[in-house]
Amino acid sequence: SQQGEEDPQALSIQEGENATMNCSYKTSINNLQWYRQNSGRGLVHLILIRSNEREKHSGRLRVTLDTSKKSSSLLITASRAADTASYFCATDRVGAGNMLTFGGGTRLMVKP
Amino acid sequence: DADVTQTPRNRITKTGKRIMLECSQTKGHDRMYWYRQDPGLGLRLIYYSFDVKDINKGEISDGYSVSRQAQAKFSLSLESAIPNQTALYFCATSDLAQGMDTQYFGPGTRLTVL
Repeated sequence: SQQGEEDPQALSIQEGENATMNCSYKTSINNLQWYRQNSGRGLVHLILIRSNEREKHSGRLRVTLDTSKKSSSLLITASRAADTASYFCATDRVGAGNMLTFGGGTRLMVKP
Repeated sequence: DADVTQTPRNRITKTGKRIMLECSQTKGHDRMYWYRQDPGLGLRLIYYSFDVKDINKGEISDGYSVSRQAQAKFSLSLESAIPNQTALYFCATSDLAQGMDTQYFGPGTRLTVL
């Protein structure tokens, strides 16, 4: 089974609303990363949060990490139609040689 | 110009054919990866290479082989393609800057095996 599991699998919101996606994982991590994928295209790195960090911001993105619950969330504030994409969490697991394990993704649709 | 390029971008082939997908990068990274993505799913690692002389199997290497011809080039081969290898294939690179493996992806190759 996958290390990272995103929730929800799909999310539809109106432009201007906030979008929250969650990621749960199973084993200890060095860091957790979020990537974005526009339909049929390559993934693009958004943000990385280290295991000793609890929150990180980048523009309209806010990521939180709770290592006690083995979970992370990605918040996109004031969403735009251009934010429509799939979002994946990827974990750098302890002892995995800095390899990333990707979750199944959340498909976000932002309606204008 | 794109830092990570993949050729071809689309390929339709028949069962039993041998095909090669190519990846080139101009980022100067040592680490390169091949992933496959099936509809609605995340990425699964096929093979990875940490330098020219290093090749490692990933989660789903059966039916695939790779060649690291140079630091900048990493090719994926399907020796005898089968329909369940129909998928979107991605190449990625990283350099483990500051001990963190942020990856940079190519645009993908859409492969259909009939």
